[in-house]
Amino acid sequence: AQSVTQLDSQVPVFEEAPVELRCNYSSSVSVYLFWYVQYPNQGLQLLLKYLSGSTLVESINGFEAEFNKSQTSFHLRKPSVHISDTAEYFCAVRDTGRRALTFGSGTRLQVQP
Amino acid sequence: GAGVSQSPRYKVTKRGQDVALRCDPISGHVSLYWYRQALGQGPEFLTYFNYEAQQDKSGLPNDRFSAERPEGSISTLTIQRTEQRDSAMYRCASSLLAQASDTQYFGPGTRLTVL
Repeated sequence: AQSVTQLDSQVPVFEEAPVELRCNYSSSVSVYLFWYVQYPNQGLQLLLKYLSGSTLVESINGFEAEFNKSQTSFHLRKPSVHISDTAEYFCAVRDTGRRALTFGSGTRLQVQP
Repeated sequence: GAGVSQSPRYKVTKRGQDVALRCDPISGHVSLYWYRQALGQGPEFLTYFNYEAQQDKSGLPNDRFSAERPEGSISTLTIQRTEQRDSAMYRCASSLLAQASDTQYFGPGTRLTVL
């Protein structure tokens, strides 16, 4: 069965500093990869996704993630964070032959002034 | 346009009671998914539908849990004889197409508390 590991449950960082949120998955089969974000008191929103092609994918608000097949990782990065990036971030994986998403346990990003 | 909506947003019930949670997907979306999220964890898959057909119910924890989508639109997740361990956030999502690559759009969730 597929599993997703987000090793960091909380990441405190100062505003304008860079950040990396780590995500590793277990399956060696072909997968689709997603990052979802949950802002306080809101539902889950898709941040970015990797389906195929370029291993580097970007979101509209400056986040990027790189698919690394050999390391089965899909880490999320941002070179300079804002207070408004404070949220919980979930990595999710879907085997290409299945419809269910498998989520990690989430990383709470706390951006401090 | 309107996103996925869920009702009620909060439900408190006593152990042993039945509860029904409703999901209204984005209009025209073919697929509908149910997930459960315990505190401090990511969502876990329960079941999904294409139109009115339940395609995968492998994530339903036991036979107290059931779901239906009779007209291929609104879906109801029913939990019979609730137990305290059923307390969680129940999330619904929908996607436009019946494809594994398609994006799932999530609703705000229903927070269920079983006393």
